[in-house]
Amino acid sequence: GQSLEQPSEVTAVEGAIVQINCTYQTSGFYGLSWYQQHDGGAPTFLSYNALDGLEETGRFSSFLSRSDSYGYLLLQELQMKDSASYFCAVRNQAGTALIFGKGTTLSVSS
Amino acid sequence: EAQVTQNPRYLITVTGKKLTVTCSQNMNHEYMSWYRQDPGLGLRQIYYSMNVEVTDKGDVPEGYKVSRKEKRNFPLILESPSPNQTSLYFCASSLRDPAFNTEAFFGQGTRLTVV
Repeated sequence: GQSLEQPSEVTAVEGAIVQINCTYQTSGFYGLSWYQQHDGGAPTFLSYNALDGLEETGRFSSFLSRSDSYGYLLLQELQMKDSASYFCAVRNQAGTALIFGKGTTLSVSS
Repeated sequence: EAQVTQNPRYLITVTGKKLTVTCSQNMNHEYMSWYRQDPGLGLRQIYYSMNVEVTDKGDVPEGYKVSRKEKRNFPLILESPSPNQTSLYFCASSLRDPAFNTEAFFGQGTRLTVV
């Protein structure tokens, strides 16, 4: 089957750096996506990694190691508005759906 | 503005009373899907559609129906809602199916309570 594991909660202070890990089990791997969700609102796309290495987009970076079935989202210079839930996701084997992890709730304090 | 619009945003209904949650996208996307989100379970796919008149079951389709008569619309139908369908529902669309690297756009969600 397919599964994704990520920590349920992470806390940090403003200005800090935090890393949210995701390990996955899937066959027919296409790539690892990350989504952000504020307080039950619409999830929004953050990044996608198909190849090994680090992808940087402003304060957010995402890393993938296909050999380790592992990735992470790195958030730098944390701001209060970064408090949200973060989900990693992979395509299912049939290529018909995104399978989401259960999400990591990030709490940023001042 | 590119968007996915769901209605209603909030709904309280009684067991057995048929309801429809509408979803519309203005991006000419081929692929649309419905998810439900429950505490501790994350987002789970209910149904998806690859294109007009092409729909198929996701992971948790029991108790739901969908239709795709037009490219832009993908309503979710609960013929006889039950309390275990109380959840937060999201409609999503993407240019192509998730086998390709296409960003999924989500609607604002519909919080459904069945009493």
